[in-house]
Amino acid sequence: QVQLVQSGAEVKQPGASVKVSCKASGYTFTTYSMRWVRQAPGQRLEWMGWINTDNGNTKYSQKFQGRVTITRDTFASTVYMELSSLRSEDTAIYYCARDSSGLYGDAFDIWGQGTMVTVSS
Amino acid sequence: SYELTQPPSVSVSPGQTARITCSGDGLPKQYAHWYQQKPGQAPLLVIYKDSERPSGIPERFSGSSSGTTVTLTISGVQAEDEADYFCQSTDFGGTYPYVFGTGTKVTVL
Repeated sequence: QVQLVQSGAEVKQPGASVKVSCKASGYTFTTYSMRWVRQAPGQRLEWMGWINTDNGNTKYSQKFQGRVTITRDTFASTVYMELSSLRSEDTAIYYCARDSSGLYGDAFDIWGQGTMVTVSS
Repeated sequence: SYELTQPPSVSVSPGQTARITCSGDGLPKQYAHWYQQKPGQAPLLVIYKDSERPSGIPERFSGSSSGTTVTLTISGVQAEDEADYFCQSTDFGGTYPYVFGTGTKVTVL
């Protein structure tokens, strides 16, 4: 079935980087763009950026510009989100979610299970 | 940009109807979508474009829109419907192209 499986929880020190993976299966990977969002404790979800999985084009939230990099490996059907210069405020659950490409309007139609990233010294 | 506001919690007895609202200034111009999230699970799209239901989602889930408010209705609530629900819309002219609601915890008594 169609699913997105993310990498496991991470604990990082302030100033470090984290790279979260999101492996897609059950559909043609390059047909759908992928989005990344995060949810800090007690906060609402927050969009971070997206990648066109076909041509690799990306767009990032201004809030994370310069710190976030989203890439993809089409052979592995996997998208990666790397966040650098981590600080305690980056402690959150990070989700990848598929852009439904108009099938469901601009909704996120399939989500990964989430990856908990904890930033602590 | 605009924000989406939801009530923090809704409690309902089994078999009754739960209504969850989502309010935002941009909603008259943009569609809203609803997601269900159970602890430790990925969010699940239950309503898209205000009132459409993806295949596989039970008919007891429905959506409606009026002005700056969209509503998710769960008719004949079942114990398995206990979850967090959040709305999402778009704001391509704002700081973030995608905006999310604050989330509502539905408790089945």
